[in-house]
Amino acid sequence: RKEVEQDPGPFNVPEGATVAFNCTYSNSASQSFFWYRQDCRKEPKLLMSVYSSGNEDGRFTAQLNRASQYISLLIRDSKLSDSATYLCVATLRYNFNKFYFGSGTKLNVKP
Amino acid sequence: EADIYQTPRYLVIGTGKKITLECSQTMGHDKMYWYQQDPGMELHLIHYSYGVNSTEKGDLSSESTVSRIRTEHFPLTLESARPSHTSQYLCASSESGGSTDTQYFGPGTRLTVL
Repeated sequence: RKEVEQDPGPFNVPEGATVAFNCTYSNSASQSFFWYRQDCRKEPKLLMSVYSSGNEDGRFTAQLNRASQYISLLIRDSKLSDSATYLCVATLRYNFNKFYFGSGTKLNVKP
Repeated sequence: EADIYQTPRYLVIGTGKKITLECSQTMGHDKMYWYQQDPGMELHLIHYSYGVNSTEKGDLSSESTVSRIRTEHFPLTLESARPSHTSQYLCASSESGGSTDTQYFGPGTRLTVL
């Protein structure tokens, strides 16, 4: 079983739409969580960290549900430039601080 | 912006050649990582390092080797390249402990072995 599982998509949405991605993690000892964005043939870049209390950065909102072991990312008012693959990440500090990446969810925002 | 660099960015090479992919970071991070990623596929951890003189194999078996003689430098070597090594190789680094354990990636090396 993978440490982090994501719906691969693709999610095809019109500009201005609200879209939500979920991912689940298997190890309840996971301590830190992140969303990364990866454009085609580029390196992953940190989008935002995910905190238990939830956090917001402009149009992006991330939530963590430890009881159900899932993380979510909500994108409001989608822009064409949001088209990318979004990677969910969980880390285990006691295990060298290994980062477990999901396989990514592809988002296509259409005009 | 992350200060982590990889060279070369693109490499096309014949089978049997020895190659070294360079990775350097100027952030003073102790932990460094190498990932392999095929187009449209997920990242696979192939090597990591806790710090100087420490290297470990990752989750995906790889014929490559790494070294960590200096904190800022984490090169990856393939002794004899094969077409199956064709992929993108991404280097990353992160701080030790604390709450800011974000991982930063270099721009990657796209390797093609003919």
